[in-house]
Amino acid sequence: EVVMTQSPGTLYVSPGERATLSCRASQSVIGNLAWYQQKPGQAPRLLIYGASVRAAGVPERFSGSGSGRDFTLTISGLQAEDFAVYYCQQYNNWPPYTFGQGTRLQIK
Amino acid sequence: QVQLQQWGAGLLKPSETLSLTCAVYGGSLNHYYWNWVRQPPGKGLEWIGEIDHLGRTVYNPSLRSRLRISIDTSKNQFSLSLNSVTAADTAVYFCARPVDCSATICTGPFEVWGRGTLVTVSS
Repeated sequence: EVVMTQSPGTLYVSPGERATLSCRASQSVIGNLAWYQQKPGQAPRLLIYGASVRAAGVPERFSGSGSGRDFTLTISGLQAEDFAVYYCQQYNNWPPYTFGQGTRLQIK
Repeated sequence: QVQLQQWGAGLLKPSETLSLTCAVYGGSLNHYYWNWVRQPPGKGLEWIGEIDHLGRTVYNPSLRSRLRISIDTSKNQFSLSLNSVTAADTAVYFCARPVDCSATICTGPFEVWGRGTLVTVSS
C-alpha cells in the first residue's frame, strides 16, 4: 500500500497571501496524484488531478506540481472560501487508492 | 450534469450488515468504475472499493473479507454491503464517480460525489 504523508498538519495563512501544501508518497506514483478540498459537512471537491490539471470549474489560483514522490498544491491570493481541509490521493498503485491525512488551512 | 443520490440505514448494531445504495442520475453507468469512500468522524478518507457496469469489482484489501459491491444497470444504481460491522465502521459513506477520461473505462480521481450518509454502529 502506498502511504501518503501531508505536511503541515495545519497551515495558518492570511487572506490574500499564498499557501503551499505538500504531499509525499512512500513510493513513486509518477503523476497520478489528485488534490481535494473539503469543507465541514460536505463531500470532497476534486481540485487537481494528474498532479497539475485543474478540474472543471476550479479557479486558476489553485495550481499543482510535482512528480514521483513529492507534490505541491499552491493556492495564490487566498480567499475566504479557500479555508478548508485539503487531501492528496494517489491513484497509481491500487488497490487501494490511498489518501493523505489532510492539511487544515486556517485563517491567520 | 451527473448527480449521485445515496441512501441507506444510518444506525446499526454491532455484527449487523451495512447496506447503502447510490443512484446515478443524468448519466450512464458505462465508461466508469463506480466507487465507495468513507470518512470516520473527524478523520481522513478511506477508499472502500469500486465496480464497473459489467460487475467487475476491485476492493480495498483491508475490507475485502466483509465487503460486497454490486450493480443494477436496469435501475442505474450500485450498492455497498459490509457485514459484521463494529464501531470502527462508523463513518460518513460517500459514493463517487471518477473524472472523465479517454480510456474505455475511467477510474482514479473522483470528480462527482454523493452527499454522504452517516452510518453509526452502536449497541
